[in-house]
Amino acid sequence: AQKITQTQPGMFVQEKEAVTLDCTYDTSDPSYGLFWYKQPSSGEMIFLIYQGSYDQQNATEGRYSLNFQKARKSANLVISASQLGDSAMYFCAMRDYGNQFYFGTGTSLTVIP
Amino acid sequence: GAVVSQHPSRVICKSGTSVKIECRSLDFQATTMFWYRQFPKQSLMLMATSNEGSKATYEQGVEKDKFLINHASLTLSTLTVTSAHPEDSSFYICSAPELAGGPYEQYFGPGTRLTVT
Repeated sequence: AQKITQTQPGMFVQEKEAVTLDCTYDTSDPSYGLFWYKQPSSGEMIFLIYQGSYDQQNATEGRYSLNFQKARKSANLVISASQLGDSAMYFCAMRDYGNQFYFGTGTSLTVIP
Repeated sequence: GAVVSQHPSRVICKSGTSVKIECRSLDFQATTMFWYRQFPKQSLMLMATSNEGSKATYEQGVEKDKFLINHASLTLSTLTVTSAHPEDSSFYICSAPELAGGPYEQYFGPGTRLTVT
């Protein structure tokens, strides 16, 4: 069964607008972590933001915020004030209680000038 | 943050030859490292978990005799693709978790693009 689901294979956003990338997860573990990574065309995986399952507040890192809805098992990434350099693949990932990582299929984001 | 390096970044080899890819944690010790494979426009697929001092754990469907993993020290893991074939052409990424760093984040190497001709 798929642990991480990203339903948007491709997204477009106008420069300076905000965009939400969807991610839902499946686990019965009480303790887990949720991550978002950015992968530009160069291939490197860049860590963006982390949300722990026990965190009460949504994580924020600069222009990135994570909309964590635990009951719905969703962890959407919000990018505010999009920039051209934000064009890349974005992967949602989950670390389970056994410290295994699971990745979603990714969303390709294109920022339009 | 912690740094993980990979060498080489790109390699082209002929079919039937073997290729070794190195993954190093530069400023922390990693008893565990992960090896992923990524085809174009697809997600990362975990191939194996490399454990220092013991045998690697391979994911289902990954041939352990073809993808040899050696975790030689607390900072180095190597992946050797033996008797490479064109279908082995892919992007290989390693990662290492830093247990002392906080949310058990794993740090990724920059990846190795393998092309088998």
